[in-house]
Amino acid sequence: AQSVSQHNHHVILSEAASLELGCNYSYGGTVNLFWYVQYPGQHLQLLLKYFSGDPLVKGIKGFEAEFIKSKFSFNLRKPSVQWSDTAEYFCAVNEGAVGKSTFGDGTTLTVKP
Amino acid sequence: DGGITQSPKYLFRKEGQNVTLSCEQNLNHDAMYWYRQDPGQGLRLIYYSQIVNDFQKGDIAEGYSVSREKKESFPLTVTSAQKNPTAFYLCASSIARGGNYGYTFGSGTRLTVV
Repeated sequence: AQSVSQHNHHVILSEAASLELGCNYSYGGTVNLFWYVQYPGQHLQLLLKYFSGDPLVKGIKGFEAEFIKSKFSFNLRKPSVQWSDTAEYFCAVNEGAVGKSTFGDGTTLTVKP
Repeated sequence: DGGITQSPKYLFRKEGQNVTLSCEQNLNHDAMYWYRQDPGQGLRLIYYSQIVNDFQKGDIAEGYSVSREKKESFPLTVTSAQKNPTAFYLCASSIARGGNYGYTFGSGTRLTVV
């Protein structure tokens, strides 16, 4: 079965620090990859996605992620975080054309003002 | 505005009771999903449906049942057979069965067994 691993459960950063959240998956075939974000009191929402083409994907609010097939990784990055980025972040993977996603356990990001 | 509506927001169930969680979408999405979220854990798939009148079990389907009689609706029943039903339940939908587009989520239902 597919599995998704997020390396950090809780990350604490100061404003303007750079962010990288790790995500690794186990499936060796074609994948679609996603990062979702849940801000306090809000719905889970899609941050960015990869399904083909340029492995460096840009999403909303200055986030980006890089798909490295050889490492089975899809790490999320942001050069300079803001207090408003405080949220829980989930990595998710679909296998090929199958619509259902497998999620990681999530990473809680706390940004200190 | 288009979106997914889950109701109720909070639900309390007595031991041995079945309860039904509602999920309605007006996005004209083909596929719908139910996930369960427990503290410190990711989302685990309960059931999913890629087309009306068809659905498949996810990773933790035991003790749950669903129906998909209309494209807009995908209710989840938590039966008395579910050993540990206290959790946060999320409904999601996607635009196509191919899975490339990502999910739109509802706001969730928090179920507590009392």
